[in-house]
Parts: sequence; C-alpha cells; structure tokens
Amino acid sequence: NAGVMQNPRHLVRRRGQEARLRCSPMKGHSHVYWYRQLPEEGLKFMVYLQKENIIDESGMPKERFSAEFPKEGPSILRIQQVVRGDSAAYFCASSRQGGGTEAFFGQGTRLTVV
Amino acid sequence: KNEVEQSPQNLTAQEGEFITINCSYSVGISALHWLQQHPGGGIVSLFMLSSGKKKHGRLIATINIQEKHSSLHITASHPRDSAVYICAVISGTYKYIFGTGTRLKVLA
Repeated sequence: NAGVMQNPRHLVRRRGQEARLRCSPMKGHSHVYWYRQLPEEGLKFMVYLQKENIIDESGMPKERFSAEFPKEGPSILRIQQVVRGDSAAYFCASSRQGGGTEAFFGQGTRLTVV
Repeated sequence: KNEVEQSPQNLTAQEGEFITINCSYSVGISALHWLQQHPGGGIVSLFMLSSGKKKHGRLIATINIQEKHSSLHITASHPRDSAVYICAVISGTYKYIFGTGTRLKVLA
C-alpha cells in the first residue's frame, strides 16, 4: 500500500509562471489536506478537500492559489503567476475519514521561484 | 503567542542520552500527533494520541489533557534520530495546528 505520493519533489519556476503540484492520497483515503512550510517556519494549513469538494480553504491566499480533488486522479494545488514569496515546501496529507483521524503525509514538493 | 509551543527549539545530545521534547498547547484538541522530518525529507508519523502514553521501540509519547501538555521521549538516542520533531494538534474535527518543531542533533 503506497503512501501519499507527491510530485514533483522539486519544482523550479520563474516569476510569473504557473506551478502545479500533485498529490495522490493513500489507497482508500478520500480526504486530502495541503500545508505550506515556509523556510524556517512551521507548517501552516492551506486547504482541506474531499472528492470533488473543497471543505475548508481558509488557509489559502485569496488570489493566485487554487486547489481541486477531482473524482478521478490526484489532487492538484495550482499557483498562478508565482512570486518569490511562494518559494516553500508544500506538503499533502490524506486520511481515510475526517474528524480527527490520523493523517499521513507525503514527501512534499519543494518549490523554488527564481 | 503560538497555539502550539515546543521546547527546546534546538537540542544537541550525545549518543546514548535520554531525550525529552515538550509540547504545550492552548486550544481544545481531539488528538495530538508527533511527527518526524529529516532535512529535505518528508514527514513521518510517529504517534497519534488523545490520552495516556504510547511506546514504539525507543520512542515514548505521553499526553496530559488537563495540563494541555505532551512529551516525546527518546531512550538511548542514536545519530540516526537526528531530525526535526514536530508536535501537531488536531483542533476541531480535522484542522492540524503545528508547532515550529524541535531540531535534534545526536552526536556519535
């Protein structure tokens, strides 16, 4: 049973480009969470999704950031027109249920904006 | 003040030492999660607990709900234990709130 898979592991984008980060949850998991880890800071919640639904996006910047978790395929975190301040590690986690059940984390995608 | 505070922020130990990392929180929680992160690496789950104590190998985690405090202990520490240890609480039904981590270095 593979764990949470994120790709790419490393992504370099020039300012103004788009970044697409992918997350495949563990088998049987229908709840996905995205977190951002800025350099030298702790992880911060961004968004919580279930299949085809955004449950809570209170941690997402209002502009340029969007997330989806389609019926088929991985969850996607999309950052449009990236800026240097978007450089961070983005972690995805999944859980079988919501409601305080244990979440399992992926390896993260390290985004560098140059 | 952060809702989840860890101490110490940095810790250097000699191989074989007993290590304790502390976590205090100020919010109501349904569970607490100890995580491990190696430099440049992913995040690994160590323990999830809502009461009492759990043990796995050389690792022990305890939680005191009344005092809003948890500790992670490492017995007979080893250089491969060097990592960042993160305390996270689940507040409400699903939202993780993370501490800033404790950076542990174990010297041979």
